[in-house]
Amino acid sequence: DIVMTQTPLSSPVTLGQPASISCRSSQSLVHSDGNTYLSWLQQRPGQPPRLLIYKISNRFSGVPDRFSGSGTGTDFTLKISRVEAEDVGVYYCVQTAQFPHTFGQGTTLEIK
Amino acid sequence: EIQLVESGGDLVQPGGSLRLSCAASGFSFSTYSMNWVRQAPGKGPEWVSHISSSSSIIYYADSVKGRFTVSRDNAKNSLYLQMNSLRDEDTAVYYCAPTGKILGTMGYWGQGTLVTVSS
Repeated sequence: DIVMTQTPLSSPVTLGQPASISCRSSQSLVHSDGNTYLSWLQQRPGQPPRLLIYKISNRFSGVPDRFSGSGTGTDFTLKISRVEAEDVGVYYCVQTAQFPHTFGQGTTLEIK
Repeated sequence: EIQLVESGGDLVQPGGSLRLSCAASGFSFSTYSMNWVRQAPGKGPEWVSHISSSSSIIYYADSVKGRFTVSRDNAKNSLYLQMNSLRDEDTAVYYCAPTGKILGTMGYWGQGTLVTVSS
């Protein structure tokens, strides 16, 4: 199984400041079709997960442009350019390149 | 608007059975692969099962293999999860989520249904 490792596990951030979360996979997430199936989810307290980014760097419908994704192969990053209060929650990377699909442990974003 | 409504969650004793349902609307259900994902209290999501659009391809997590069975009824736009031999560690909120062809991942999530396994 592909292991997804996120760092940090907790990220206290000042409002208006940037935040960055890293995700590393134990194997390449490049599929035989040429796509890299790494996505990022946000989960606000008491809510189901919500897709933010798919295939490394594509913002999902309705996602603010302060969220961006980057990376290649096995190393990926989610960046928030200026954190807002509504960004508080847990962020997960997930690979859907192969089965079983696997999630990172989650990174809790909190406001300082 | 895409909607996914999970139902069937309940309190059940260890060793018991439960059948979850997911009613989908707002998209062409019959052309999408579907997944079940669960989330235990205070934990991260865990992928459980995948079924292709025609039900020809099915995968399970090792933790549920042999105990859970996924199925779908495209005529009813519905997804199911038959859960047998339930264990304490199956306690979780269960979500259904389609795999978007363009997204290549689980783009939409319902509110989930809570399964509690306890004596």
